[in-house]
Amino acid sequence: AQSVTQLGSHVSVSEGALVLLRCNYSSSVPPYLFWYVQYPNQGLQLLLKYTTGATLVKGINGFEAEFKKSETSFHLTKPSAHMSDAAEYFCAVSEVGGGADGLTFGKGTHLIIQP
Amino acid sequence: EAEVAQSPRYKITEKSQAVAFWCDPISGHATLYWYRQILGQGPELLVQFQDESVVDDSQLPKDRFSAERLKGVDSTLKIQPAELGDSAMYLCASSQRRRETQYFGPGTRLLVL
Repeated sequence: AQSVTQLGSHVSVSEGALVLLRCNYSSSVPPYLFWYVQYPNQGLQLLLKYTTGATLVKGINGFEAEFKKSETSFHLTKPSAHMSDAAEYFCAVSEVGGGADGLTFGKGTHLIIQP
Repeated sequence: EAEVAQSPRYKITEKSQAVAFWCDPISGHATLYWYRQILGQGPELLVQFQDESVVDDSQLPKDRFSAERLKGVDSTLKIQPAELGDSAMYLCASSQRRRETQYFGPGTRLLVL
């Protein structure tokens, strides 16, 4: 069974500082990997995803993530935080093969931006 | 921009009552998912449809939960009877086909008293 671990339920950074949100997965086969963002009382919006090819993936709003197979990680970064980045961030995986492709999510990281 | 629609947005019900949620996916999307998100946690898949067929309902508590997508378009998730532990956000997502990006609706927040 797959699982996703997000280190740090809350991360606080200053506006303009580097954002680093950590995600590690457990899977027998490297899965597809995703980062979603959720604003209060809203659904989830896809930031970026990795399926195959280049391991450094660029997403919306200046975010990017790097797939590292040897570390089973898919950490999310942004060079300079903006106040509007304050939200809940979820890392998720889905199996590569098989019929079902429902997402398995981590518990989320609440990103706080200090002015 | 096309969006996944869900209703109601909020629902308060009493324990042992029946409750139903509705989802209208993006037009043309063949795959539809229902997730449950308990406060402070990530969403968990309840059921996945491909057109009108169930692909995966292994995590659906079938003694009280049911889901259908009769014409392969919109879908209904029902809980009967509701329990206190069912209080959560119920999210619907759709994708054009399997393995494609999943687009989420705004969710239905359920409170069971």
